[in-house]
Amino acid sequence: GAVVSQHPSWVICKSGTSVKIECRSLDFQATTMFWYRQFPKQSLMLMATSNEGSKATYEQGVEKDKFLINHASLTLSTLTVTSAHPEDSSFYICSARGQGALGPNEKLFFGSGTQLSVL
Amino acid sequence: GEDVEQSLFLSVREGDSSVINCTYTDSSSTYLYWYKQEPGAGLQLLTYIFSNMDMKQDQRLTVLLNKKDKHLSLRIADTQTGDSAIYFCAERVTGGGNKLTFGTGTQLKVEL
Repeated sequence: GAVVSQHPSWVICKSGTSVKIECRSLDFQATTMFWYRQFPKQSLMLMATSNEGSKATYEQGVEKDKFLINHASLTLSTLTVTSAHPEDSSFYICSARGQGALGPNEKLFFGSGTQLSVL
Repeated sequence: GEDVEQSLFLSVREGDSSVINCTYTDSSSTYLYWYKQEPGAGLQLLTYIFSNMDMKQDQRLTVLLNKKDKHLSLRIADTQTGDSAIYFCAERVTGGGNKLTFGTGTQLKVEL
């Protein structure tokens, strides 16, 4: 089946530094990728939708200058948390949608997530 | 607005049936999904149901949808230890594009 590779799986950083998370579709081309974050015991919340070659669309309340998303190729999207602070500590997960017709199963494939801890 | 809720934890004995419940608020849902997340892994689509269906069965999985009450459930028959994971329900709404709204996730623990 389709595989989405996300790394790093776990990162600890100092407050004020920037952290980049990568999401790669390994065996298919992903025209659209989604970035979610999840706080403990809360839902996965969609942060932004990125389409290859265009600017990401951010959900309400998500700072685009804080969470930089780049989707430069059909197989790679990156999320950079700039000037990270402890309140940015969370579980970040990406998903990628394969090309082709939208079906009920969405053809969405998820990465394994990145746990970010900001000290 | 969109709001999807699940209970946080469920514990069952191996061999018993598990029922994981989900409630949602948006009546314009088109598809409703169940995802499974095992430790250290991404979410895996288990099954889905179209909003005009009441029930869908797929091997050990049975999805029930009560659209009037906006209630979705996932029943796992003959639960095994390998079913221990977090289960998320999600909805896709009309006009929402590809956006999925997820529930909080239910941690299922299967005991021997």
